[in-house]
Amino acid sequence: QVQLQESGPGLVKPSETLSLTCAVSGGSVNINYFYWGWVRQPPGKGLQWIGSIYYTGTTYSPSLKSRVSISVDTSKNQFSLKLTSVAAADTAVYFCARGRTREIPHLDHWGLGTLVTVSS
Amino acid sequence: DIQMTQSPSSLSASVGDTVTLSCRAGQILNSFLNWYQQKPGKAPKLLIYAASTLQDGVPSRFRGSGSETDFTLTITNLQPEDFASYYCQQTYTDSWTFGQGTKVDMK
Repeated sequence: QVQLQESGPGLVKPSETLSLTCAVSGGSVNINYFYWGWVRQPPGKGLQWIGSIYYTGTTYSPSLKSRVSISVDTSKNQFSLKLTSVAAADTAVYFCARGRTREIPHLDHWGLGTLVTVSS
Repeated sequence: DIQMTQSPSSLSASVGDTVTLSCRAGQILNSFLNWYQQKPGKAPKLLIYAASTLQDGVPSRFRGSGSETDFTLTITNLQPEDFASYYCQQTYTDSWTFGQGTKVDMK
């Protein structure tokens, strides 16, 4: 059974870079077969897709595209998120997830989520 | 971005009820529509993909239907563990988007 676990600082200062890692166990981070992506949820609000990586490349939410990057490290079986120039509005629970492509893309395995607060 | 609009934003129901949640897309999606359930403090859980395909292990009381721009999630014989928030998601374009969610709470 594939498991995903987010890690990274819980507190980031405004204007700095948020960096999170998602460790994958029970399977390999293989972009040829799966999407690997990030979703966030501000406190009390809904889900926002951040972006994903697949063999075809990376895709990001247009609203975050200028500040976000997602990469994979197959040697460590993990993938990462970087979000630059953060502000209070970036405070959220950040989830990593795996996407399958059976019939259509869908996110079938999720990490537990990690709260990141942007504050000085 | 494709705008996804869910209705209602919340509803109250009782155990044993049948509830219907709606999701409308800003453009035709064919069947590129997924449904997730989320309980407080937990990660979302995939219920249905491709508009109507039940994810492995999900009870058959959950049913997805619809096509093009209008989709529905129906929960029959509502159980105590079904009180949660539900989100639709389109993956028709490379830029995926979620609806704002429908919260189902106990009447």
